[in-house]
Amino acid sequence: DAKTTQPNSMESNEEEPVHLPCNHSTISGTDYIHWYRQLPSQGPEYVIHGLTSNVNNRMASLAIAEDRKSSTLILHRATLRDAAVYYCILSDSLKTSYDKVIFGPGTSLSVIP
Amino acid sequence: DTGVSQDPRHKITKRGQNVTFRCDPISEHNRLYWYRQTLGQGPEFLTYFQNEAQLEKSRLLSDRFSAERPKGSFSTLEIQRTEQGDSAMYLCASGSLSYEQYFGPGTRLTVT
Repeated sequence: DAKTTQPNSMESNEEEPVHLPCNHSTISGTDYIHWYRQLPSQGPEYVIHGLTSNVNNRMASLAIAEDRKSSTLILHRATLRDAAVYYCILSDSLKTSYDKVIFGPGTSLSVIP
Repeated sequence: DTGVSQDPRHKITKRGQNVTFRCDPISEHNRLYWYRQTLGQGPEFLTYFQNEAQLEKSRLLSDRFSAERPKGSFSTLEIQRTEQGDSAMYLCASGSLSYEQYFGPGTRLTVT
């Protein structure tokens, strides 16, 4: 499975946008890019996913580089509730039998009031 | 609440004892996953079920670990002869689509 690299930690001020980067230089053409986040003392929750095009949903936006070797999760206005560990994950869309998700250490986001 | 539930939320056991955890997935989900998470690390995949069939097991799942999903509904994860290294958060997730997994709150196991 392809690996991703993320900064260990980031800080943001409340109400400001946050850009969380992820590098995946060995991504294959069939790998989806997924983002999950884990709030303190909770299980991870799905945030967003994409393959080639940028994606938006109610939680966040995902910007994917043209060469797909990096991506950025964008939180448009950080709130205190967004303080969490954010995981960038790749999974192969051709693996129809199962879709094992490999979590790295992620980026710990702190939001400053 | 119709999310994924896990029971118990916390378990303290002595080394050498057997423990069993239960996961109740979201009812319409046919995929079920177990993960283990230690402090400061991301969750590690343990095993995957599609309906009642266990389709994938991680090398992390030693012979002391066994998981079942009878009738394709709830799942159990049993650890026999627990060791201190088994202390971790055990997470269950379910899903119906390949790209989205819904996680439960986890069972925190402490082996003394």
